Amino acid sequence: NAGVTQTPKFQVLKTGQSMTLQCAQDMNHEYMSWYRQDPGMGLRLIHYSVGAGITDQGEVPNGYNVSRSTTEDFPLRLLSAAPSQTSVYFCASSSQTGQGATGELFFGEGSRLTVL
Amino acid sequence: AQSVTQPDIHITVSEGASLELRCNYSYGATPYLFWYVQSPGQGLQLLLKYFSGDTLVQGIKGFEAEFKRSQSSFNLRKPSVHWSDAAEYFCAVGAPTGGSYIPTFGRGTSLIVHP
Repeated sequence: NAGVTQTPKFQVLKTGQSMTLQCAQDMNHEYMSWYRQDPGMGLRLIHYSVGAGITDQGEVPNGYNVSRSTTEDFPLRLLSAAPSQTSVYFCASSSQTGQGATGELFFGEGSRLTVL
Repeated sequence: AQSVTQPDIHITVSEGASLELRCNYSYGATPYLFWYVQSPGQGLQLLLKYFSGDTLVQGIKGFEAEFKRSQSSFNLRKPSVHWSDAAEYFCAVGAPTGGSYIPTFGRGTSLIVHP
């Protein structure tokens, strides 16, 4: 059971570089989201998607882009990395429709990003 | 919009002692409530959830939580803590937002277990 798969697990970037964090889920979930986790700040929502072709901003979207071309994949792009984007990033998905849909999230294992 | 408050940043207990982690939420109707646990270096795992019915819910690893509407609370409890329970605990509220359920998380409570 793969669930939610994130890659890479670790990445070091220099300021101004770009990169993409990959997220894939095999549960046919409509909803996918990206969070960043910083000490003392809990989990903050960056972007989310309620289905293929639909994305929206969360609490802290600046500096990040997303797209959702398929149900399974939801990549997060950093176009020009900044030290403030040093964080641990989590992808999560959930079923939003059907009986019992409650928004329960299934998480990936996280991607630790350091921007120098 | 919904919000979640976890008033305790850190909690320290001795192994074998009882535990209660506090969670208060703000939402106009009855929300869906969750507790997640994050072990060091890991992703988040669901401990338990409440969305209707019995206000005392049982979860994995011997945890339980009680929904109290009058206090807008959903506190997590365990009668006897094990050293392996040391982790970060997050309370979350999920409420319908434009047809979707977008959970809001508290800032987390770090549980430290002394032998």
